Amino acid sequence: AQSVTQPDIHITVSEGASLELRCNYSYGATPYLFWYVQSPGQGLQLLLKYFSGDTLVQGIKGFEAEFKRSQSSFNLRKPSVHWSDAAEYFCAVLKSSSNTGKLIFGQGTTLQVKP
Amino acid sequence: NAGVTQTPKFQVLKTGQSMTLQCAQDMNHNSMYWYRQDPGMGLRLIYYSASEGTTDKGEVPNGYNVSRLNKREFSLRLESAAPSQTSVYFCASRGGLRTGELFFGEGSRLTVL
Repeated sequence: AQSVTQPDIHITVSEGASLELRCNYSYGATPYLFWYVQSPGQGLQLLLKYFSGDTLVQGIKGFEAEFKRSQSSFNLRKPSVHWSDAAEYFCAVLKSSSNTGKLIFGQGTTLQVKP
Repeated sequence: NAGVTQTPKFQVLKTGQSMTLQCAQDMNHNSMYWYRQDPGMGLRLIYYSASEGTTDKGEVPNGYNVSRLNKREFSLRLESAAPSQTSVYFCASRGGLRTGELFFGEGSRLTVL
C-alpha cells in the first residue's frame, strides 16, 4: 500500500535560516506529490505540487520542492524562513493512476521559528 | 468566493448523541472528501464522493455515514458518538480527479465527552 512518511515531527529554525522538511513516499510508479501548509486553527492550503516534468517545483510563499525518484523523496525547502512560516506542513501523495482522487497524507511536521 | 464552508465550527457532544457535520462548496467541484485530523496521525480519509450520487469508504469509515445531497453539499453523520471520535474534521473538494489540488474548509472541532 502506498504511504507517506515525514520523519521529523517537530523542527525549530531561527528566522532567516534555511529550511528543509523531509518527505518520503512508498509507491511503485511515479505518484503525484503535494505539500500543504496549515496555520493554527485553519484549513490546509496548497504550497506546491508535482505531476511530471521538471523535478524542481516552485510554490507559493517562496517555497520549493525537489522530486528525487531514486530516493523516493519530495523534500520541501525555503532559503530564508520568516516568522509567519510557523505552521504545520503536510506532504501528500496521489496515485497517478487514481480514479478516485484520494490523497494520502503524511503525519505532518510542525515548524517553529525562533526570533 | 466562500470556497468550502463547514458547519458547525465547534461542537461538544455526549457519548451516544448523534450529529451531522455540514459541508458545502461553491466551486462546482465534482469530488468531495471528509478527513479527520488527529495529533501525530496527519489527515485520514473517512469517506469520499468522487461525483454526485456516489460515495465510498476511505481509510477510517467506522462510526460514520455520509450523504452527497447534491453537487454542492456533502454531509458527515455520527449516529452514536464515541470519545474516539473527538477530532478535527475537514471537508475538501476538487474539480477533477487528476487536477490534484484539494480545497479545504476551515475545519470542525468535535469533542465527545
